[in-house]
Amino acid sequence: DTGVSQNPRHKITKRGQNVTFRCDPISEHNRLYWYRQTLGQGPEFLTYFQNEAQLEKSRLLSDRFSAERPKGSFSTLEIQRTEQGDSAMYLCASSRAYYNSPLHFGNGTRLTVT
Amino acid sequence: TQLLEQSPQFLSIQEGENLTVYCNSSSVFSSLQWYRQEPGEGPVLLVTVVTGGEVKKLKRLTFQFGDARKDSSLHITAAQTGDTGLYLCAGASRPLDSNYQLIWGAGTKLIIKP
Repeated sequence: DTGVSQNPRHKITKRGQNVTFRCDPISEHNRLYWYRQTLGQGPEFLTYFQNEAQLEKSRLLSDRFSAERPKGSFSTLEIQRTEQGDSAMYLCASSRAYYNSPLHFGNGTRLTVT
Repeated sequence: TQLLEQSPQFLSIQEGENLTVYCNSSSVFSSLQWYRQEPGEGPVLLVTVVTGGEVKKLKRLTFQFGDARKDSSLHITAAQTGDTGLYLCAGASRPLDSNYQLIWGAGTKLIIKP
């Protein structure tokens, strides 16, 4: 079990730039989730995929955010025209597609927008 | 809107002491999960409780789900420096079809001093 892998671990970017993060889930997991976490808070759900289909997207997610999982394996999360308020830890998690299947989180990508 | 309130927000104690942290809501939950998150890492699932009054033990950690399934507690006996981390609870208002439905608390930041 290699676990959920996220790259890069850290990203510093200037306001207005685009950034893209990658998540490689546990290979036998059908479901993949993206979360955002700021200091002193729990994870905030952004979006989730079952295989390659994006099934849910948070209403809090602005149009500047887009996620893909083209072949049902790895996923990318892109943020366009970054703002300082986007600074956070972006967590990816995966799970199997059955009732109460537990989440397995990656170690996140910490984004700092200057 | 369902909320999970965790208390205390921050706790710093000496190694060897006992402690209890709480996860409370005014709403009923179908199940509740506890996670530990170490600095720079993603949350790791510790336990899931599903039955009112249920008690689960994980070595020195004891988890309890309230009889009314509105609250939960985590008790640590003889705390060790390795217990340091952010303890998060996450609840499901109905049997989980998918983890995106989880409601997250803001966490208790625990520091165990040697």
